[in-house]
Amino acid sequence: EIVLTQSPGTLSLSPGERATLSCRASQSVSSSYLAWYQQKPGQAPRLLIYGASSRATGIPDRFSGSGSGTDFTLTISRLEPEDFAVYYCQQYGSSLMYTFGQGTKLEIK
Amino acid sequence: EVQLVESGGGLVQPGGSLRLSCAASGFTFSSYEMNWVRQAPGKGLEWVSYISSSGSTIYYADSVKGRFTISRDNAKNSLYLQMNSLRAEDTAVYYCARVGVWATPDYWGQGTLVTVSS
Repeated sequence: EIVLTQSPGTLSLSPGERATLSCRASQSVSSSYLAWYQQKPGQAPRLLIYGASSRATGIPDRFSGSGSGTDFTLTISRLEPEDFAVYYCQQYGSSLMYTFGQGTKLEIK
Repeated sequence: EVQLVESGGGLVQPGGSLRLSCAASGFTFSSYEMNWVRQAPGKGLEWVSYISSSGSTIYYADSVKGRFTISRDNAKNSLYLQMNSLRAEDTAVYYCARVGVWATPDYWGQGTLVTVSS
């Protein structure tokens, strides 16, 4: 089973700043099968990025994804107040299982 | 507009059973694979089960294998999760999620809470 480790656990930033969130896999992941989600309290996860770098429908261009192999990054170029939430990376593997990272909480500084 | 609405959650005793439903609308349900994903209170996301568009291919997480059964009724645009032999560690919000491009869960329901407690 592939384990995804996200860092940092908590990121404290101010609106307008740039956020960089990391997701590291225990073994190589196909970029096609790496996604990022945003979750706010009491809400379902919302798909942001699929295929490591493709934005989902309706997602603002301040969100971008990059990476390959075992290291992936979600970047939010200029934080808006509504961007403060928990972010999860997720992969779909050859074992036909989905795994999620433990999440990064992005909080207002 | 894609909509997924879960129902059937509630309080159940350890060892008991519960059946969750997910009603789909706004897309051609029979053309899409589906997943169940859960989230224990204050914890992260855990994939539970997958079903192909026809229902012929099914996978489970090891944590629920032999206890949970996923199924679907394409005529009723509905997805189900039969949960038996429930344990305290099954307590979670259960989400149904549509599988989109590159096997990515793209649309999620609002979730239904299952609490396993005596």
